[in-house]
Amino acid sequence: EAGVVQSPRYKIIEKKQPVAFWCNPISGHNTLYWYLQNLGQGPELLIRYENEEAVDDSQLPKDRFSAERLKGVDSTLKIQPAELGDSAVYLCASSILDSCGEQYFGPGTRLTVT
Amino acid sequence: TQLLEQSPQFLSIQEGENLTVYCNSSSVFSSLQWYRQEPGEGPVLLVTVVTGGEVKKLKRLTFQFGDARKDSSLHITAAQPGDTGLYLCWSNTGNQFYFGTGTSLTVIP
Repeated sequence: EAGVVQSPRYKIIEKKQPVAFWCNPISGHNTLYWYLQNLGQGPELLIRYENEEAVDDSQLPKDRFSAERLKGVDSTLKIQPAELGDSAVYLCASSILDSCGEQYFGPGTRLTVT
Repeated sequence: TQLLEQSPQFLSIQEGENLTVYCNSSSVFSSLQWYRQEPGEGPVLLVTVVTGGEVKKLKRLTFQFGDARKDSSLHITAAQPGDTGLYLCWSNTGNQFYFGTGTSLTVIP
């Protein structure tokens, strides 16, 4: 069974440029998460989807970040325009809809904004 | 807002030593999970605890859930270099999901 797939693995952009990350969750997993992780720290939830509905986007900086999960399968996270402080690893995870559900993570996209 | 505080933040020990990592909150957990993350990878689930006072063992790792379900600990016996990584607790309160602040463990051969 394929795991969570993320692309690209690495991205370097200049500030004020747009960037997009893509995630394909494990087949059959209806919950999808996007996290931001700074080096050595715990991931911080940006948005959580149940199927195609964003059920928690309270921590998503909506002035520059957007996300979509069309058809309730894969998802895209976009930043426009990027700022220096956005440099981090962006993790995608998926799980079966359950409050105790194990989250399966992709390898992440390491973003560097110069 | 980070509701789950982990301690210590960093830990560097010699192979064969024992260690304990703590995860604490002022809120009651519905359930709690422990993950380990290696460099360049996403976190991987180690265990889920649900019942207050619960103790689970996974080889050399022992996980304990506090009686009041506000704290948890992870104890590693005879640490090995392969245990090196970032240890994370995770929980949810109601519909909110949180990771802990993380404990970075380095086991020196």
